[in-house]
Amino acid sequence: GAVVSQHPSRVICKSGTSVKIECRSLDFQATTMFWYRQFPKQSLMLMATSNEGSKATYEQGVEKDKFLINHASLTLSTLTVTSAHPEDSSFYICSARQLQETQYFGPGTRLLVL
Amino acid sequence: SQKIEQNSEALNIQEGKTATLTCNYTNYSPAYLQWYRQDPGRGPVFLLLIRENEKEKRKERLKVTFDTTLKQSLFHITASQPADSATYLCALGSSGGYQKVTFGTGTKLQVIP
Repeated sequence: GAVVSQHPSRVICKSGTSVKIECRSLDFQATTMFWYRQFPKQSLMLMATSNEGSKATYEQGVEKDKFLINHASLTLSTLTVTSAHPEDSSFYICSARQLQETQYFGPGTRLLVL
Repeated sequence: SQKIEQNSEALNIQEGKTATLTCNYTNYSPAYLQWYRQDPGRGPVFLLLIRENEKEKRKERLKVTFDTTLKQSLFHITASQPADSATYLCALGSSGGYQKVTFGTGTKLQVIP
C-alpha cells in the first residue's frame, strides 16, 4: 500500500514554456500533498504544502506565480512550472500524507529546461 | 536557525557488518524523526519513524535510536548487504496541524561485497 505516482518521470522543454507535473496517491486518500525539489547531492527542499480544496502554502523564497499548485482531489495534485528557465532544471518530487506523520514519496520528475 | 547534520562523506562498509549512520540536529525540538532511503534518481522510501518519547525502534534488520538530550538519532543496519547501498535521509517533524518535515542532506552508504 501507500503508493504515490508521478507523471511524467522525465521532461525536456524549451525555455519559456510551461510544464505540468502530476502527483497521484494510488491506494489512499491524501489529506496533504507536498512538493519538493532536489539538486544533485543536496537535500530535499520543500517548495509548498497543499491540502485538498484549499490554496497551497508556499515556503519562503518560492514564487507562487511561477510554481502553480492545484490539489483538486484527495488523490491528485499538480505542479505547473510556468515560463520555465534553465535554472528551474531540477528533480521535482511529490509526497502524500494521509492522517499520520509519514509521507510517501513519488518516484520524482526530472525536468531539463533548454 | 534549525540545522540537521548527517555525515556528508560516504560510508563504506563490508558486507555482513553493521552500518551506523548519524543524524544530529540543533535549534529544533522535533515531535518525531523519520529515516528514509533514497536510490539515485528516485524518490525517498519511508523506513522507520520514532517519536520523541521513544528511545528505540526496530524493523527487521533496521534499528533507530533517538536521544533528545544529545539531539541525535542513530540508524543501524545489521548484517548489511550490497542491496542496502543507497543514500539514507533523516527527517525531523514538528507537531501540530502544519507538521512540517525538514530533511537532512543524507549519507551515502556503500556496502562492499
